[in-house]
Amino acid sequence: SQQGEEDPQALSIQEGENATMNCSYKTSINNLQWYRQNSGRGLVHLILIRSNEREKHSGRLRVTLDTSKKSSSLLITASRAADTASYFCATDRNTDKLIFGTGTRLQVFP
Amino acid sequence: DAGITQSPRHKVTETGTPVTLRCHQTENHRYMYWYRQDPGHGLRLIHYSYGVKDTDKGEVSDGYSVSRSKTEDFLLTLESATSSQTSVYFCAISEPRREGTDTQYFGPGTRLTVL
Repeated sequence: SQQGEEDPQALSIQEGENATMNCSYKTSINNLQWYRQNSGRGLVHLILIRSNEREKHSGRLRVTLDTSKKSSSLLITASRAADTASYFCATDRNTDKLIFGTGTRLQVFP
Repeated sequence: DAGITQSPRHKVTETGTPVTLRCHQTENHRYMYWYRQDPGHGLRLIHYSYGVKDTDKGEVSDGYSVSRSKTEDFLLTLESATSSQTSVYFCAISEPRREGTDTQYFGPGTRLTVL
């Protein structure tokens, strides 16, 4: 069963705007990760946030984690056409397995 | 995709035939995974391996078997392919961490169509 559910399922924005995607999960976790998938390609790791962290930054990416609400958000600032992709959250419970959500499809128009 | 290859990249087969997909890594990572990706389901874990000859089932393992005789190779076999196994299959690798799982690195995928 899916652990994570992303919201929205699809998002369309203009270049320069910010994009926010949300992920909700069902059980306690150890880490939460975000991955990007360009069309026809494998997933690429973006950022990992641990359960004892609340916010993390990496370049134009900002991830927040609220363990009390079992949710995370991924913010991409000043989006570019090259950010067009699907974004997935993935959680683990101190095991060697990740459970992926169903993803958000982001379209950034030039 | 660096260091991980999958073969074949595309395959069309008929119901009832056996199919083997190969994942090869040059990173010497201990853990290897097989996922399938279907619309509306995201990625679902089929099988994984935590070392040579050490494998375990994932969420959707029925109809699939795996083998790992060398660190670098992880094979996924569909003993008798069915149309429900039409999907895109991804291999991933990672190194074990003391606290939970580490980043996974994905191969380019294999698109399998079962007619």
